[in-house]
Amino acid sequence: AQKVTQAQTEISVVEKEDVTLDCVYETRDTTYYLFWYKQPPSGELVFLIRRNSFDEQNEISGRYSWNFQKSTSSFNFTITASQVVDSAVYFCALSEGSGNTGKLIFGQGTTLQVKP
Amino acid sequence: DTAVSQTPKYLVTQMGNDKSIKCEQNLGHDTMYWYKQDSKKFLKIMFSYNNKELIINETVPNRFSPKSPDKAHLNLHINSLELGDSAVYFCASSQMTSGAMQQFFGPGTRLTVL
Repeated sequence: AQKVTQAQTEISVVEKEDVTLDCVYETRDTTYYLFWYKQPPSGELVFLIRRNSFDEQNEISGRYSWNFQKSTSSFNFTITASQVVDSAVYFCALSEGSGNTGKLIFGQGTTLQVKP
Repeated sequence: DTAVSQTPKYLVTQMGNDKSIKCEQNLGHDTMYWYKQDSKKFLKIMFSYNNKELIINETVPNRFSPKSPDKAHLNLHINSLELGDSAVYFCASSQMTSGAMQQFFGPGTRLTVL
């Protein structure tokens, strides 16, 4: 059965600290896709990254970086030098390749609070 | 230019009423979705349509009925509203290719049932 676990419910850091949000997934598919979305206090869902199961290269985008490790079924997200504007709920999500429906299975979300 | 729009943004209604939420996307995508976000922020898929055909129907009460008049629209009708239906409902769209692509989400509709 497919499942996404974000064990950290809430994280609080002070501005400029680095922070890592954990994501662990379960799937029986060999082809699957992993996503991160951000939900700021205004409520919209903002796409951050998509990664397919065959691409284990880590990715960096500005202050954001992602570490995909199939061996541990993890897709962790690090924010370097956090800023107050990073305060949001962050969701990790999984979409399985079989069935090709694009259905997203979300983790519970991690609420990140960055204090000035 | 709004990519995925939903109306209304807020909906407050009494138990037992019937209500609809509309969704439109102007991205030319062939697949649209409805997700429900509960009070604990948990997001769960409800329905999905691909080229106007239902492809995902999760274990949702049959009081919820999606309708897709064309590829650009996916509406959600809810009959006999219950207190537990209070949530934020998100519409999303994507282009189905050989793999799951990024989904673009609408701004959400906050439904409050009194």
